[in-house]
Amino acid sequence: KAGVTQTPRYLIKTRGQQVTLSCSPISGHRSVSWYQQTPGQGLQFLFEYFSETQRNKGNFPGRFSGRQFSNSRSEMNVSTLELGDSALYLCASSLALAGFVPYEQYFGPGTRLTVT
Amino acid sequence: AQTVTQSQPEMSVQEAETVTLSCTYDTSESNYYLFWYKQPPSRQMILVIRQEAYKQQNATENRFSVNFQKAAKSFSLKISDSQLGDTAMYFCAYNFGNEKLTFGTGTRLTIIP
Repeated sequence: KAGVTQTPRYLIKTRGQQVTLSCSPISGHRSVSWYQQTPGQGLQFLFEYFSETQRNKGNFPGRFSGRQFSNSRSEMNVSTLELGDSALYLCASSLALAGFVPYEQYFGPGTRLTVT
Repeated sequence: AQTVTQSQPEMSVQEAETVTLSCTYDTSESNYYLFWYKQPPSRQMILVIRQEAYKQQNATENRFSVNFQKAAKSFSLKISDSQLGDTAMYFCAYNFGNEKLTFGTGTRLTIIP
């Protein structure tokens, strides 16, 4: 099975612009989660989508948004970029069937976003 | 809110030795899941081991094992017979029945040849 893929792998944007990152989960996985990784704040949960619905959300401003398509692929959008948005953005997918038990999350290689 | 603390920012050990990474967490929940993830220089995050809080038996996965002390809210990772490929950042993570992982700040482990 192919792993989680993220595109693009590297991105340079200017402050004030917006950016869209893409994540393709492992085939059959219905849950996609997004994390931001920075040296200062570490790994922080952004949001999780399951069956095209946002199911969990972290503590990020409204400039950060996402969506999931019917094929489970997900996109994350950041509007009005700030210098502090420079980070590695990781996507993870899991089976996440109904119920309490959390399934293993498989991570993609990440998108390195640099805001200048 | 749940928090995860890793008090060792960096560690190094000789190849073939045993090393233990520490992790403590804070939660008011009684049933939850704990994980250790490895992030090598290639940046791909990989699950190393997982522990379910309601299970008293410590999880093991080949050379990797955990010491889970529920009352003390401690979850340490022991790596036996360490190998050069074990060099990586190690993150302890907590999950309470959903897909949101709360991570610690990580421990950078270097295996010295």
